[in-house]
Amino acid sequence: AQSVTQLGSHVSVSEGALVLLRCNYSSSVPPYLFWYVQYPNQGLQLLLKYTSAATLVKGINGFEAEFKKSETSFHLTKPSAHMSDAAEYFCAAHTGTASKLTFGTGTRLQVTL
Amino acid sequence: NAGVMQNPRHLVRRRGQEARLRCSPVKGHSHVYWYRQLPEEGLKFMVYLQKENIIDESGMPKERFSAEFPKEGPSILRIQQVVRGDSAAYFCASSPGAPNTGELFFGEGSRLTVL
Repeated sequence: AQSVTQLGSHVSVSEGALVLLRCNYSSSVPPYLFWYVQYPNQGLQLLLKYTSAATLVKGINGFEAEFKKSETSFHLTKPSAHMSDAAEYFCAAHTGTASKLTFGTGTRLQVTL
Repeated sequence: NAGVMQNPRHLVRRRGQEARLRCSPVKGHSHVYWYRQLPEEGLKFMVYLQKENIIDESGMPKERFSAEFPKEGPSILRIQQVVRGDSAAYFCASSPGAPNTGELFFGEGSRLTVL
């Protein structure tokens, strides 16, 4: 069964610092991978997706993620955090044959002055 | 273009009552998904529907929960005889085709509180 693990339920960074949110997947077949962001009391918005093209994927709001098959990881990064980045971030995976996205438990990002 | 529309945004029910949550997908999308989000947890898949068909309901509780996506009108998630443990945010998502490589478009959720 496919699973998605997000290490760290809460991450706090200073404004301007590097953001690194970790995601590991387990899948018997190469998955399609996604990062979504959820702002308070809102739905999920797609940040970026990996679908077996380039391993480094650029998304909206300056975020990017790198697919590393050897590490079964898809970590999300942003060089310089902004206060508006404070939100909850979800990693999700899809094998292409399954009918559903499998989500991680989420990482709440806090950005401090 | 309107996104996924869910209503009501907030719903309060007493134990034993019924809850009906509605979802209108993005115009032109024929695939609908329901997810449940409990506090401090991720989203849990419930059901995947196409028009008039349930494709995958592996995440639906066996009792009290049902979903439909009729030929006309919104998708409905129905919870009968609600219990406190049903309190959660229920998210609907849609996609234009099968969920192979495309993204899902999410609504803003319906937050159910059971008293």
